[in-house]
Amino acid sequence: AQSVTQLDSHVSVSEGTPVLLRCNYSSSYSPSLFWYVQHPNKGLQLLLKYTSAATLVKGINGFEAEFKKSETSFHLTKPSAHMSDAAEYFCVVSDLNTDKLIFGTGTRLQVFP
Amino acid sequence: NAGVTQTPKFQVLKTGQSMTLQCAQDMNHNSMYWYRQDPGMGLRLIYYSASEGTTDKGEVPNGYNVSRLNKREFSLRLESAAPSQTSVYFCASTLLVAGNNEQFFGPGTRLTVL
Repeated sequence: AQSVTQLDSHVSVSEGTPVLLRCNYSSSYSPSLFWYVQHPNKGLQLLLKYTSAATLVKGINGFEAEFKKSETSFHLTKPSAHMSDAAEYFCVVSDLNTDKLIFGTGTRLQVFP
Repeated sequence: NAGVTQTPKFQVLKTGQSMTLQCAQDMNHNSMYWYRQDPGMGLRLIYYSASEGTTDKGEVPNGYNVSRLNKREFSLRLESAAPSQTSVYFCASTLLVAGNNEQFFGPGTRLTVL
């Protein structure tokens, strides 16, 4: 069975400093992995996805994530945080050939000026 | 394209009342889903529909029913609302093809049950 663990419930950074949001997954099959972002009182928007192609995945708004099979990790990074990045971020795992997604519990990112 | 739309955006119910949450997508997707979001718990799948005419239970189906009215529409019904069903409800859809199961989400319905 698939599962996903987001290691931090809250992360605070200053504007202009790097962002690291950590995610570990468990999957019996070749997984597909996603990061979704949710701004306050909004729906979820896809940031990026990994589906067994390149292990370094680039997404929108300067975010990227690296799939590391040996570490079962899919951490989200951004070199320089912007105030508009303040939101909740969800790491999601799915079996490549099914349509069910398993969500992590979310990481709330705060960005201070 | 409007993507995935949900109505209503907000709703307050009294315990025991019933209501239906509506969801529609205009992307010709085959699969549709209903999730609930509660603080600290991420999104949990209530029901899903892999295609028109089929529905299946997800992780937390108790207290809910669904109808896949046609390919575009997937509704969620609370027959007798309870305070434990206070949550934010999201509808999602996907065109499930090999190697691509990205889901697209609606803006959500905030439901409060008093």
